[in-house]
Amino acid sequence: ETGVTQTPRHLVMGMTNKKSLKCEQHLGHNAMYWYKQSAKKPLELMFVYNFKEQTENNSVPSRFSPECPNSSHLFLHLHTLQPEDSALYLCASSPSATYNEQFFGPGTRLTVL
Amino acid sequence: GENVEQHPSTLSVQEGDSAVIKCTYSDSASNYFPWYKQELGKRPQLIIDIRSNVGEKKDQRIAVTLNKTAKHFSLHITETQPEDSAVYFCAARGGGADGLTFGKGTHLIIQP
Repeated sequence: ETGVTQTPRHLVMGMTNKKSLKCEQHLGHNAMYWYKQSAKKPLELMFVYNFKEQTENNSVPSRFSPECPNSSHLFLHLHTLQPEDSALYLCASSPSATYNEQFFGPGTRLTVL
Repeated sequence: GENVEQHPSTLSVQEGDSAVIKCTYSDSASNYFPWYKQELGKRPQLIIDIRSNVGEKKDQRIAVTLNKTAKHFSLHITETQPEDSAVYFCAARGGGADGLTFGKGTHLIIQP
């Protein structure tokens, strides 16, 4: 698959588990983003990385921990989540953080039991 | 920070008619306003965008208008077709911000 890929596509975890979401982009972009999409709420920006440096943290709880080892990969590490964290987590990328158009991945559907 | 309001939440129109979705934003420094279409179970995809130095932009059946003074922008779809059925999101990029702030979305239903 080309463009922006995310794995896994579906994840079910207990509140005491630790898991990680992975995003990879094959577009040569330098900025990557995590968004959360819950039912009946707008897409919420969580984190922004530009050239591997975190440039925005939108008041996200510490149980979500992002990691960007290089410009092509972005992770979201999860631990001690709550049921209200169940949502679709979308990754996006753009050539740089100052470039407007963002390209989205297919998302990971997360369910916290 | 930026706040984006979107209306209506659901819009049902007859096939062939026009559809209009409206958004307002709060940050007067916002300079970029994209519209995304998300079909059921799929990722959001950019359909049209407008920058703050332009008042209107058109791409075939889709157009976007921007009123900077009133801080609102609208999506217009003419001659609607069944494949236009989806959820549409407006967004704004605030001055100095790297990410987008999204509206809650409009579920557009095209009635045959």
